Amino acid sequence: GAVVSQHPSRVICKSGTSVKIECRSLDFQATTMFWYRQFPKQSLMLMATSNEGSKATYEQGVEKDKFLINHASLTLSTLTVTSAHPEDSSFYICSAASGSISYEQYFGPGTRLTVT
Amino acid sequence: DQQVKQNSPSLSVQEGRISILNCDYTNSMFDYFLWYKKYPAEGPTFLISISSIKDKNEDGRFTVFLNKSAKHLSLHIVPSQPGDSAVYFCAASNTGNQFYFGTGTSLTVIP
Repeated sequence: GAVVSQHPSRVICKSGTSVKIECRSLDFQATTMFWYRQFPKQSLMLMATSNEGSKATYEQGVEKDKFLINHASLTLSTLTVTSAHPEDSSFYICSAASGSISYEQYFGPGTRLTVT
Repeated sequence: DQQVKQNSPSLSVQEGRISILNCDYTNSMFDYFLWYKKYPAEGPTFLISISSIKDKNEDGRFTVFLNKSAKHLSLHIVPSQPGDSAVYFCAASNTGNQFYFGTGTSLTVIP
């Protein structure tokens, strides 16, 4: 089955630094990748949708200059949290879709970011 | 390999009837399971969860059943309503640091 990996699985960084999270589709080509942030009440918030080779589409309220998304290839998307602050501490999950059926998303295992 | 599987990509149910969505997992170390509901163009929203120490959790019309020996969980929605039409994802976690999601089941409730 389709596998999506994320790296790192857990990262601790100091306030003011930047952190990059990678999302890879291991055995299929992902035309679209999604980035989510999980909040304490367990709901996932869609942050942005990225298509290979084009700029990401950010959801309302998500700062695109703070959360830089790059989808350079059909198997890799990266999320860079720039100038991280403690309030950015969260669980970030990516998912990848390979076809036109929107609900066929394959989720990565998530990255726990802690900003001190 | 997929550690969490939803083998039915779609399901149609008549309004008022029971909807049963199934999910299988392979990792016996998973200790927490969740169901998410997702409408088009929105992020998934948390629906209900269950700890591995339980075999049933109920919240209104939604009940999740866990069968650890079979590594299987299911979500029952009764009675089903048209507003329940959405994609449902199950997820499993080990220690809460990583979550593994299924690929989703699209539920259509027919009025």
